[in-house]
Amino acid sequence: SQQGEEDPQALSIQEGENATMNCSYKTSINNLQWYRQNSGRGLVHLILIRSNEREKHSGRLRVTLDTSKKSSSLLITASRAADTASYFCATDATGGFKTIFGAGTRLFVKA
Amino acid sequence: DAMVIQNPRYQVTQFGKPVTLSCSQTLNHNVMYWYQQKSSQAPKLLFHYYDKDFNNEADTPDNFQSRRPNTSFCFLDIRSPGLGDAAMYLCATSRRDSLNEKLFFGSGTQLSVL
Repeated sequence: SQQGEEDPQALSIQEGENATMNCSYKTSINNLQWYRQNSGRGLVHLILIRSNEREKHSGRLRVTLDTSKKSSSLLITASRAADTASYFCATDATGGFKTIFGAGTRLFVKA
Repeated sequence: DAMVIQNPRYQVTQFGKPVTLSCSQTLNHNVMYWYQQKSSQAPKLLFHYYDKDFNNEADTPDNFQSRRPNTSFCFLDIRSPGLGDAAMYLCATSRRDSLNEKLFFGSGTQLSVL
């Protein structure tokens, strides 16, 4: 399988705290993406980081990529109750046109 | 607004009764995907179309078929649904060029098999 693990599987924090989620993968990649999914809905793209990038920011999101360790992390700063959702990392293998998802982290932000 | 639309939102079928799920897009994207997502699991890629070229995943059961009559529409046919096929089915699109690989998802169709 192309995709590895995400940890933690579930994370519960207080509003205002930071949330960090980690993702590992197995094969060489073109890029790594993070998506968000509210319960019972489709996924929404958050951020894409290319294999030659090490860090990327978008608003309260910060993504890092370490291709030597085949891992990525997503940091959400100053979390809000509305950030409660499942977060998935996804990878595009080199030479392919398909996107494969990891198991996801379920984030619960308490108001 | 340009978007990916899936119909119906909820679908109930009987064991063994063929069912078709539909997806349309106004984004004019050349790639369309079907994912299956069971409760608390990752979306699992079933197949994708790159333009008219169909690409099946090796572990997708033969029970699942797909059609893409034109750029805008893609269908998922389940020939003989079993209880294990109850899941959320997600359609997604992307524009495959050198700069743009992110996926745009529909809201999904929740399939129940009785």
